[in-house]
Amino acid sequence: QSVLTQPPSASGTPGQRVTISCSGSSSNVGSNTVNWYRQLPGTAPKLLIFTNNQRPSGVPDRFSGSKSGTSGSLAISGLQSEDEATYYCASWDDSLNGYVFGTGTEVTVL
Amino acid sequence: QVHLQESGPGLVKPSETLSLTCAVSGGSISSYYWSWIRQAPGKGLEWVAFVSNSGFSNYNPSLKSRVTISVDTSKTQFSLKLTSVTTADTAVYYCAGDLGDSIFSLWGQGTMVTVSS
Repeated sequence: QSVLTQPPSASGTPGQRVTISCSGSSSNVGSNTVNWYRQLPGTAPKLLIFTNNQRPSGVPDRFSGSKSGTSGSLAISGLQSEDEATYYCASWDDSLNGYVFGTGTEVTVL
Repeated sequence: QVHLQESGPGLVKPSETLSLTCAVSGGSISSYYWSWIRQAPGKGLEWVAFVSNSGFSNYNPSLKSRVTISVDTSKTQFSLKLTSVTTADTAVYYCAGDLGDSIFSLWGQGTMVTVSS
C-alpha cells in the first residue's frame, strides 16, 4: 500500500517543463526528506533526486526537486524523449518506522 | 562499485515459504542498511523489510507476521523469508541498500517470483 500520493500520469512535448507532486503527511514527508526514483520498463528503479533537491553524480540539472510542508515535487525541464519513465517519490515514515513510496507517475513525451 | 544480485526460486506454491538471497559484492556489507522492496505486476513499489548494520530490523506492518530479514556477513549476503505466500505475493523482488540515510543508492536487478500451484 502506498502512503504517498502522486498523479498517475504526466505528459509534455519535447522541451516543455513537467512537474510531479508527492503528497504525504506529517509522519513522513512533513518530518523527513524526500527522494525520487526513476524506473524504466523492465528495469530496477534508480536514484534521481535525494534529500529533497540533491542530484547524484550523472543526473542532468534538468531534474530538480523541492519540498514544502508535507509535499514534495519533482520538475523535469527541457523534456526529452528519454525521460519517458515512471517516477516514484519516497520517504521515511516515523509512524511506520519504515520506508514509504509514492504511487508512481508515468511520464509521457508527446 | 557495490553490486547486488538477487537469487531464489522463480516459482513458489501457495502456502509455502518464499526464500530469496541478495549477494553483495564490491563493498562492505557492514556499511549499509539493507532492504527488500517488491513490485507486483503493473503496480508500484512496496517496501517489505530492512535490517541495519547493527542488526536492527523492521518490517512493513502489512507483512510483519510473515517476514524475516537477516544478514550473513561471513557470506556477504542478506536474505528474505516470506511464509504462507499467496498469489498476492507474486512480484518482482528487489534488494536495495542505503547508508542509513533512507536513500536507496544501491539496487539489485530484481527477481520475479510467481506464486502459483
